[in-house]
Order: sequence, then structure tokens, then C-alpha cells
Amino acid sequence: DTGVSQDPRHKITKRGQNVTFRCDPISEHNRLYWYRQTLGQGPEFLTYFQNEAQLEKSRLLSDRFSAERPKGSFSTLEIQRTEQGDSAMYLCASSPRLGQSNTEAFFGQGTRLTVV
Amino acid sequence: AQSVTQLDSQVPVFEEAPVELRCNYSSSVSVYLFWYVQYPNQGLQLLLKYLSGSTLVKGINGFEAEFNKSQTSFHLRKPSVHISDTAEYFCAVSDRGAQKLVFGQGTRLTINP
Repeated sequence: DTGVSQDPRHKITKRGQNVTFRCDPISEHNRLYWYRQTLGQGPEFLTYFQNEAQLEKSRLLSDRFSAERPKGSFSTLEIQRTEQGDSAMYLCASSPRLGQSNTEAFFGQGTRLTVV
Repeated sequence: AQSVTQLDSQVPVFEEAPVELRCNYSSSVSVYLFWYVQYPNQGLQLLLKYLSGSTLVKGINGFEAEFNKSQTSFHLRKPSVHISDTAEYFCAVSDRGAQKLVFGQGTRLTINP
């Protein structure tokens, strides 16, 4: 078990470009979450999946954002037509299925996006 | 909906001194409570969690926290801090369904020699 893996760790892009981030959760974790953290703030929830189903999306997730988890394993987060306000750390987390007593979200190291 | 307030944005302490980081939450339903630590340019690592049972929970690195339902608080304590404890600390709550986390603004703990 290698933990939650995110790729890339850093991304610099020009305003207006599209970017895609990948998250590989801990194997057999059926829940996967995306959060966004801006400088000096706590992480904010964006969306979560249970297996391949996207069950909830925050109002923070504008139409330019889309997330997928096609086979219930890895997930991608795409941002289209990036804006400077999208600059942030994007964190992925996974957790075991509901009902297991050891409830805990395990976080990846994040992808830091800078839009110039 | 839940919300979390961390009452101190920065806490400076001397090495080997005790420390308390304060956290208050608001929720209309039963919640789980967590403290996470974040080192620079890293993800979050769980320090400890309260799910149910004993209100005093012990975590890693000598930290502990006490759940106080009447005061809706979950303060984090350590009796003697070390330079390596310098980091950002986040208090978080989650509902018992989707279990998405709602975080506070964070408290930057700085340890001075």
C-alpha cells in the first residue's frame, strides 16, 4: 500500500489553457475526494466519488471543472480555460467504504497549480 | 451544514513548553472530529480523530484532544513541543454520511528554541 498518489506535483500553465490532474487512491478504497486549498486557508471540498459514481459536487466546482473516476479506481480533475483564481493546491483523498469502523481520509501530497 | 472555527491563526511557543490549539465547531447533526497536520508543500496527515466513546483521544507525536459536546469544542494539546512540531494544524468535522470534511482556517504553530 503506497498511499494516495497525485500527479503532477506542480503545474504552471498560461491563463486560458486546460489542465488535468490525476489521483490514484489507496487500493480498495471506494471513496475518493477532491479538495482545493488556497494560500493561508484550509482545504475546501470540491467533489467526491463512491466507486465510479460522482455523488456530490460543491458549488465551488464551476462549469469549467470536471472530475471523473471511470473504473472506480484512479480519478482525474480537469480545469478548462484556466483563470488566475484557479491557482491553488488541489488535494485528493481516499477512504474505505462506509461502515468500516476505521473512518479516516488519507490525503495525497497535492498538485500545486499556478496560472500565469 | 457544518462549520469550524480555529480561534488562533498563529501560535508561537518555546520549545518544551505546553501548547493548546483551539477549535470550535457548529453542526445540526452528529459529527466526527479530526485534527490534521500539514508540513510545507505537503498533503495532510491525520493526528487524531474522535468518532465516539471516550472524549479524550490520543494521537500521534504525543498530541491529544478533548471533545466537549456542550461547548462544541475539540481543542488540541501537547504537554511539551519540539522544533519538529512546527507546521500548520487543521481542525475538521465531517458528517456521518458522505464524510466530506469541513476544515477550519488553520493554526500555524511556530516553535522557538
